[in-house]
Amino acid sequence: DTGVSQDPRHKITKRGQNVTFRCDPISEHNRLYWYRQTLGQGPEFLTYFQNEAQLEKSRLLSDRFSAERPKGSFSTLEIQRTEQGDSAMYLCATNAGAGELFFGEGSRLTVL
Amino acid sequence: GENVEQHPSTLSVQEGDSAVIKCTYSDSASNYFPWYKQELGKGPQLIIDIRSNVGEKKDQRIAVTLNKTAKHFSLHITETQPEDSAVYFCAATRNDYKLSFGAGTTVTVRA
Repeated sequence: DTGVSQDPRHKITKRGQNVTFRCDPISEHNRLYWYRQTLGQGPEFLTYFQNEAQLEKSRLLSDRFSAERPKGSFSTLEIQRTEQGDSAMYLCATNAGAGELFFGEGSRLTVL
Repeated sequence: GENVEQHPSTLSVQEGDSAVIKCTYSDSASNYFPWYKQELGKGPQLIIDIRSNVGEKKDQRIAVTLNKTAKHFSLHITETQPEDSAVYFCAATRNDYKLSFGAGTTVTVRA
């Protein structure tokens, strides 16, 4: 399968713990996006990379959130000191420029 | 920022009938309007998109219309089939990378 790959698919953690999600893009795609989706809602933009440069961050991305894309390939999204309000599906998407976003299947976070 | 509203939130149609989903947007500078379909346990997948220099676009049973003056756009699915059952999201953006999504429409096609 050469689509966008996300790991883990589901993470259950206790409040206050740190979690990290990984996204492996489609190989020729230089743009990578993180979105968050809560139940019954559409995805919300979190951040965007072009190659290794993080070009924009949403105000939804508090200081507890950090995203990286070293070497412009895979990306990680870390959440420190998780809160129950962080429970959501974290979606990664990639593309090679303007137009269609190719989404992964998401990483579902449950904070107890 | 952009605000996208989507209606209805749920839609049940008989197989073979048409389904219509409507969205409005707030940012008059938005110029790209994609529609995504999300099946259970999967990420959203693009089904059709339209840019602001076009009023209508069709791909087999799916069509999208755009009214820039009224700032609304619609998805039309004809001859619905059971595999069309899913959640559909509209989105809008002015800059190609930061999509603002609607809240989604759950479409159920009754056999």
